[in-house]
Amino acid sequence: DAMVIQNPRYQVTQFGKPVTLSCSQTLNHNVMYWYQQKSSQAPKLLFHYYDKDFNNEADTPDNFQSRRPNTSFCFLDIRSPGLGDAAMYLCATSRYQQPQHFGDGTRLSIL
Amino acid sequence: AQSVTQPDIHITVSEGASLELRCNYSYGATPYLFWYVQSPGQGLQLLLKYFSGDTLVQGIKGFEAEFKRSQSSFNLRKPSVHWSDAAEYFCAVGLLISSGSARQLTFGSGTQLTVLP
Repeated sequence: DAMVIQNPRYQVTQFGKPVTLSCSQTLNHNVMYWYQQKSSQAPKLLFHYYDKDFNNEADTPDNFQSRRPNTSFCFLDIRSPGLGDAAMYLCATSRYQQPQHFGDGTRLSIL
Repeated sequence: AQSVTQPDIHITVSEGASLELRCNYSYGATPYLFWYVQSPGQGLQLLLKYFSGDTLVQGIKGFEAEFKRSQSSFNLRKPSVHWSDAAEYFCAVGLLISSGSARQLTFGSGTQLTVLP
């Protein structure tokens, strides 16, 4: 089945230790999004790729970066995670402005 | 800026009872509206969407929603709730970005649904 896959499902890292979250898709969608969802809150868009064009939300911290080496893969890099970065990170894809398809998320814990 | 309000943080219903989850939006133009459902530890699944046309839209799992422009509302309904419907429900408004080639979702704060046996 065509889908959005996030790895790992659970990630534990140490305070200040860089971490990378992965997202892959078999939908061949041209837009990929990263959302941050803190406990009991709504998802919040961090950035998105329209094809190879990177679009950062104005309030996304500089600590968060992203890479999209090809259509299928997108990575979220957190350079120096702080305790406040503990959250569920959701990847989504869409074909242009069509509805977004979400992965199951990666829950990030910071020790 | 657009915003979405879900006034009910938590709703409890009995299995077999009807359900209505409220959503109000603030947006200057006719919005693109969505309802998503999220089970614990999972991603978001699209239930239904409204872009234009018929204001009563049908979705998956027996859900429907009605767009009422005069009330700026897009309430989600289901005539008979099943225990498997217990989850968190998010209403969202979609705003065009990237020169109209992608859509940014602004979510409400969510409504947690508990279903009693």
